[in-house]
Amino acid sequence: QKEVEQNSGPLSVPEGAIASLNCTYSDRVSQSFFWYRQYSGKSPELIMSIYSNGDKEDGRFTAQLNKASQYVSLLIRDSQPSDSATYLCAARSGAGSYQLTFGKGTKLSVIP
Amino acid sequence: DAGVIQSPRHEVTEMGQEVTLRCKPISGHDYLFWYRQTMMRGLELLIYFNNNVPIDDSGMPEDRFSAKMPNASFSTLKIQPSEPRDSAVYFCASSTLGTGISYNEQFFGPGTRLTVL
Repeated sequence: QKEVEQNSGPLSVPEGAIASLNCTYSDRVSQSFFWYRQYSGKSPELIMSIYSNGDKEDGRFTAQLNKASQYVSLLIRDSQPSDSATYLCAARSGAGSYQLTFGKGTKLSVIP
Repeated sequence: DAGVIQSPRHEVTEMGQEVTLRCKPISGHDYLFWYRQTMMRGLELLIYFNNNVPIDDSGMPEDRFSAKMPNASFSTLKIQPSEPRDSAVYFCASSTLGTGISYNEQFFGPGTRLTVL
């Protein structure tokens, strides 16, 4: 069974610090990985996607992928109180698969 | 674009009643997904459609759940009869397949919060 595991948190960081969110996945054939942000009472919103080993940067966000370790992470630099949300990690098996398997999410709190 | 539209936004019903949730995907998207989210189980895929055809319904919990997509702009998720354990937020998402593996981003609707008493 495909599983995506995340630390549920809450993860608390002071404003301006780097927040580090981690995710592991069980399906070795997973090729695409996504980070969604979900504010309380709202729907998930895609913020980053990554498909190749290494780092991918987009503004204050950096996604990191290590397929050998089956590990994905999201770094948020200069954390802001508006970043406080639950972050969901998702994995897609391959080019022929259109389903996402989601982790249960990590709740991040950025303290002013 | 209006995004994915879901109705109703909130539904409170009594055990045993029929519940119908509705979704309008983003125009031009050919994939539609129904998810259920609870604190205990997180976000779970129930069923997804491609070009109005159900592709995988292995996530549908029981025969009490059914989903249809009569056309490209409308889908329903029906629960009959409803039970208290069906209480959750139900999300609809849509996407379109591009080239390679870098597409198929899923856009979520606002969700329907279902409470079964």
